Amino acid sequence: SAVISQKPSRDICQRGTSLTIQCQVDSQVTMMFWYRQQPGQSLTLIATANQGSEATYESGFVIDKFPISRPNLTFSTLTVSNMSPEDSSIYLCSGQRASAGPDTQYFGPGTRLTVL
Amino acid sequence: AQTVTQSQPEMSVQEAETVTLSCTYDTSENNYYLFWYKQPPSRQMILVIRQEAYKQQNATENRFSVNFQKAAKSFSLKISDSQLGDTAMYFCAFRDSNYQLIWGAGTKLIIKP
Repeated sequence: SAVISQKPSRDICQRGTSLTIQCQVDSQVTMMFWYRQQPGQSLTLIATANQGSEATYESGFVIDKFPISRPNLTFSTLTVSNMSPEDSSIYLCSGQRASAGPDTQYFGPGTRLTVL
Repeated sequence: AQTVTQSQPEMSVQEAETVTLSCTYDTSENNYYLFWYKQPPSRQMILVIRQEAYKQQNATENRFSVNFQKAAKSFSLKISDSQLGDTAMYFCAFRDSNYQLIWGAGTKLIIKP
């Protein structure tokens, strides 16, 4: 399986500030995704991170609020901009590696964000 | 639109018992993939088992097996000889043609000693 790391593992931030979350994969992946998970709930897809081009956002998520970069196949960042308490959540990145079995996504450990 | 339904918000069983978690889905596609993921309190999302829709044989991984009923659009997970470490949230997921995962709401499984 792919090993995916995320930094930071958790953070407490003030309203109005921004936080950038990093996601590193140990091998080349075909696709990378960013999710949000509210406590006790399922995952909501924020966007698909595309290498060298703009991310593909899901309904309800916009680039100005959640800018995403993916400069190469193994690294991506998600920024949560102008944060409010409603952004408090767990943010997870995942990678999909075709060589590990078709269409299997592996997940990072998540970043727990608290906005005061 | 594809949907995934997990009708059991929470289940609890005694250690060493067998437990079955249910999952149903709705799709018009014929070729697709289904997954069960486990998320323990550490919040690390871990792949438990995967099923390709074109395979009639049910997938098995050690103590974990699925009952895949394609016509009924059902994909249940059976955990045999349950262990304390199996305590976690379990999510059923469907992979759509855009390579995105459609997630169920999850089932909280508690294994009691």
